[in-house]
Amino acid sequence: KAGVTQTPRYLIKTRGQQVTLSCSPISGHRSVSWYQQTPGQGLQFLFEYFSETQRNKGNFPGRFSGRQFSNSRSEMNVSTLELGDSALYLCASRGIPDTQYFGPGTRLTVL
Amino acid sequence: SQQGEEDPQALSIQEGENATMNCSYKTSINNLQWYRQNSGRGLVHLILIRSNEREKHSGRLRVTLDTSKKSSSLLITASRAADTASYFCATNSGGYQKVTFGTGTKLQVIP
Repeated sequence: KAGVTQTPRYLIKTRGQQVTLSCSPISGHRSVSWYQQTPGQGLQFLFEYFSETQRNKGNFPGRFSGRQFSNSRSEMNVSTLELGDSALYLCASRGIPDTQYFGPGTRLTVL
Repeated sequence: SQQGEEDPQALSIQEGENATMNCSYKTSINNLQWYRQNSGRGLVHLILIRSNEREKHSGRLRVTLDTSKKSSSLLITASRAADTASYFCATNSGGYQKVTFGTGTKLQVIP
């Protein structure tokens, strides 16, 4: 099976812009989770989608949003980018038993 | 917020030595998992241990779980330079099994 894919791998944006990141889970996986990883805060949970519904949400402002499509692909959107949004954004799909398979991440730099 | 905290934060050992990392968590869990992350890349699942299990082995990895102390340890035996990475514990808890990651241990294995 193909692994979790994330696009783009690298992204440079300026403050105030918005960005959309994409994640394709492993075929057959219906759960997709998003994480933000920074040197200062570590791995922070953003949200989880299951069958197109948001099932869990972390403590992030409303500028961070996501959605999941009927084919389980997921997108994450960050509006009005701030310098502090610079991070590695990781997506993971969940298999059985509760094992998460991570994609390579999208490295976002906000200038 | 982080559910788990790894100890030590950083560890440097010689090739061939054993490496032990500890993870403490705060709430009751369904299972605990260990992941490895090579610099700036996605996480790789290593091993999952359920709350009713005390010890689990996988190759050179040994994981123990003490639910009374809310702690787990990961032992890597006969370490290799390729084991150099950050190691994270992650706990599954809550109704929809939200996954929460610890702060990570940075392991350096010197050839």
